[in-house]
Parts: sequence; C-alpha cells; structure tokens
Amino acid sequence: ETGVTQSPTHLIKTRGQQVTLRCSSQSGHNTVSWYQQALGQGPQFIFQYYREEENGRGNFPPRFSGLQFPNYSSELNVNALELDDSALYLCASSLANSPLHFGNGTRLTVT
Amino acid sequence: RKEVEQDPGPFNVPEGATVAFNCTYSNSASQSFFWYRQDCRKEPKLLMSVYSSGNEDGRFTAQLNRASQYISLLIRDSKLSDSATYLCVADSRNDYKLSFGAGTTVTVRA
Repeated sequence: ETGVTQSPTHLIKTRGQQVTLRCSSQSGHNTVSWYQQALGQGPQFIFQYYREEENGRGNFPPRFSGLQFPNYSSELNVNALELDDSALYLCASSLANSPLHFGNGTRLTVT
Repeated sequence: RKEVEQDPGPFNVPEGATVAFNCTYSNSASQSFFWYRQDCRKEPKLLMSVYSSGNEDGRFTAQLNRASQYISLLIRDSKLSDSATYLCVADSRNDYKLSFGAGTTVTVRA
C-alpha cells in the first residue's frame, strides 16, 4: 500500500511569486485535504477535495486554490506569495469519515 | 476563541511515569475526535481515535467528556520514544474540516 506522497519537500520562493505543491493520495483514498502549519501552531484547514470537487474550505483567501485529478492526486496553488505564507503544507488523504493520513509535507519559505 | 485548545506544556516526565493532559473543543456538534502525534519537523501521525466510551491502546488511554467538551490522553509507563507533540483533533458532522489544537509537548527523560 502506497502512502501519501508530497513534492517538493522544501521550497524557497520570493514574495509575490506563485507556487504549486503536489500530492499523491494513499491508494484507495478519494478525499484529499490540505493544511497549513505555521511554526508552533497546529495544522489549519485550507480546503478539501472529493471526486475532483472542492468539498469545504477554511478561512484562507482566494489566492489559495486547488485541484484534484481523476486519479485523486491533488495540487495546491498559492498566488502572490506573502511572507506569512511560510509554513509546512500538509496534504492528507482519507476515505469519507475516516481519519486523515498525512504526507510528509512541503516546507515553504517565502523571502 | 480557538475551536480546539490545548495546554502547550511542556510536560517533562521521567521514564516510567504517567502523564496526562486534556484539550477542550468549542463546537458541540463535533462527532469525531482523534489524537495525533507529531515529531519535530515531521508530519502528524494518527495515534488513536477517541470513542465516547473511552478507549485504550496499549499504554495510551483516551477519554471523551461530551458534557464538558473535553478530551484527555493518558500515557502510562512513559518511554523516551513517547517524546513528541500530541495534537488534539475534533471533527464536525456538519463541516468538512478537522480542527487541530496547537499541540501539547511531552518530553520523557532518562
């Protein structure tokens, strides 16, 4: 069974740039959720995708957007990066109403 | 007010000790609860789900108190490898997101 994989593991971007983070869900999981974890904080829900549709969104601005593909993999896109976007971005896959299984995350640094 | 609040600790305990800590949740509609463990600079990993009747998994015991809206985790016979941050998580049947606390740090010393 293949777990959740994320790429890249680390990324450095400049303020104002755009970034795309990628996630492959665990085999058999049809739901993907994205979380942002700032240093010293718990993960904060960004949004969730189920069968290629956004299925819930947290308190993040529209410059955070996403996609889910037919194979249930997903992308998180962030436009107009700000310094406060520096964080660990976590992707988690699940089946409906089951616990989340996280990937190892992408550590984004915005300078 | 945060949806899930935890005592950040740190709880510094000797090997073999028992350590317990709580978290509170604000959404009375929450239906599912979990404890996740997170090691430094790693992803969170599911430790255990929390059931209404309370449940035990080896040295770990989780309790849910719906009336007071808190969840507890107790670790018996602490091991050095238990040193980590423990994240409390609450779900809501009417929402799609999981709400995480900021974590409770536990350090077990030899």
